[in-house]
Amino acid sequence: NAGVTQTPKFRVLKTGQSMTLLCAQDMNHEYMYWYRQDPGMGLRLIHYSVGEGTTAKGEVPDGYNVSRLKKQNFLLGLESAAPSQTSVYFCASSNLGNQPQHFGDGTRLSIL
Amino acid sequence: AQKITQTQPGMFVQEKEAVTLDCTYDTSDQSYGLFWYKQPSSGEMIFLIYQGSYDEQNATEGRYSLNFQKARKSANLVISASQLGDSAMYFCAMREGMWGGFKTIFGAGTRLFVKA
Repeated sequence: NAGVTQTPKFRVLKTGQSMTLLCAQDMNHEYMYWYRQDPGMGLRLIHYSVGEGTTAKGEVPDGYNVSRLKKQNFLLGLESAAPSQTSVYFCASSNLGNQPQHFGDGTRLSIL
Repeated sequence: AQKITQTQPGMFVQEKEAVTLDCTYDTSDQSYGLFWYKQPSSGEMIFLIYQGSYDEQNATEGRYSLNFQKARKSANLVISASQLGDSAMYFCAMREGMWGGFKTIFGAGTRLFVKA
């Protein structure tokens, strides 16, 4: 009963490095989301996808790119990491209507 | 623009008492959904309760109820008979386009402390 799985759980990067966070869901959900959580600011939407092959910008998209090549996977990329991107990243998925989002356990990313 | 406001950074409540966590929202959509999530210190996000914009009755789920006042654009969470395990961060969230599943945004959260 995996639900939403995020990989990796922790990562430390140096400024300027690139990396990709992977989110996988096994619930056949149409919608997937990437959020970042910073102290005192709640969850802020980075990018989201309403179906395979589609992506859209959220509230704070700058510095991030995403891809949804397969329905079950949603990738978040940082091309050139900056210290301001130090955060906890959450992936979520949901289906239509009144269904809540299912969240992964989060990825703690530190950029030095 | 879509916006969620939680004005209480922190709240204290005595065990076994009721507490209300405030949430106001702003949207130009007629169709939207409102959610409350709990985040304990372990970090996971736990869904609590949902209210649709067309629902005429306030949602209830066990000890949780949602006081939905559409004209005032508020969706306050009421927790009855607080327990020590209710100590956590609580987030209000709004999804526009209820049946489209579009973007969902969150408020900044309220940290609830339950005192024994």
